[in-house]
Order: sequence, then C-alpha cells, then structure tokens
Amino acid sequence: DIQLTQSPSTLSASVGDRVTITCRASPSFSTWLAWYQQKPGKVPKLLIYKTSTLDSGVPSRFSGSGSGTEFTLSISSLQPDDFATYYCQQYHSYPLTFGGGTKVEIK
Amino acid sequence: QVQLVQSGAEVEKPGASVKVSCKASGYRFSEYGIHWVRQAPGQGLEWMGWINPANVNTKYSQNFQGRVTISRDTSASTAYMELSSLRSEDTAVYFCARSRLNSGWLYFDYWGQGTQVTVSS
Repeated sequence: DIQLTQSPSTLSASVGDRVTITCRASPSFSTWLAWYQQKPGKVPKLLIYKTSTLDSGVPSRFSGSGSGTEFTLSISSLQPDDFATYYCQQYHSYPLTFGGGTKVEIK
Repeated sequence: QVQLVQSGAEVEKPGASVKVSCKASGYRFSEYGIHWVRQAPGQGLEWMGWINPANVNTKYSQNFQGRVTISRDTSASTAYMELSSLRSEDTAVYFCARSRLNSGWLYFDYWGQGTQVTVSS
C-alpha cells in the first residue's frame, strides 16, 4: 500500500500568507495525486488532480507540484474561505489512500 | 447538474449489517465509477472500494476483510454499499463519490452528502 504522510498536521496562518502543505509518499510514485479541501461538517471538494491540474472553478491561488516521494499544495495568498482541512489522495495503485489531513487555522 | 444523493442516517447494533444507497443524476450512470469513502468522527478519509457500473467490476480495500459489498442497480442509477459484522469502530460518515472509469482518473469530482452510520448497543 502507498502511505501518504501530510505535514504539518496543523498550520496557523493569516489572510494573505503563502502556505505550503507537503504530502510525502512511501513508496514513491508519479503524477496520480489529488488534493481536496474539506470544511467542518461538509463534503470534501476536489481542488487539484494529476498533481497540478486545477479542477474547474478552483481559484488560481491554489497550485500543486511534485513527484516521487514529495508532493505539495500551495496557496499563494490565503483567503478567509481557505481555512479548512486539506487532504492528498493517491490513485496510482490500490488501495486508493489519503493523507491524514492538514488543518489550516486562522493565526 | 451532477448529484449524488445518499440515503439517511442509520443506527445499528454490533454484529448487524447496514446498506447505504447513492442515487446518481445529471450524467450517464454507467460512464463513471462510484466509490465509497468513510470518515470516522474527527478523523481523516478512508477509501473502502468502488464499482464500475458498466461491467459490475468491483475493487475493495483489504482493510475491510470481506465485510464490504458494493453493488448497483443501473435501472435506478443507484449504487449501494453494504457493510456487515458492524462494530463500534465502524461509526462514521459514509460518502459515495464519483470518478471516471480508467486508471489515471480515479479521483473524486463529485461527492454525496454523506450518511451517518452509528453502531451502538
């Protein structure tokens, strides 16, 4: 199974900050990674697939990159609507797996 | 518009089974897979398995050791997830989610609203 480890588990930031979330994979793989945003009591929302492709309607302040053992989700200028928990997900092999999540909190 | 509408909350006793439904609309049901993902209270997301409605092929996570069965009724555009031998650790919100069918496309672009399953004696 591919294990995904996200860091940090919690991130405190202010509106306007640039934030980066890391998703480390073991074993390594390339390309087939997605990112989701989930707000409390809500359904996860797809942000990015295929490592760096933004889903339709996702603001351009979100970006994704990486390959191998390290993938990142960046938000260039944090907005009030971005305070949420973020999950990475690999679909390179079965079982499909998720990272443990990164909660982005207001500083 | 694409919608996945799940059945309502369930309360079950340990050892029982639960069956959750997911009715799809707004797209051709057979052209997309349906996955089941669960989220225990305060925890992360866990993939359980999926079905290709076109050919009924399924794939399950070994974490559920044969306790999960995913099925579909194409005439009703509905997928089902049945979990048996329930234990308290199965208390969670269960989501259905849609993906394309091919490998390389198994990410989830639409989700159901979630179904709370509570296992309690």
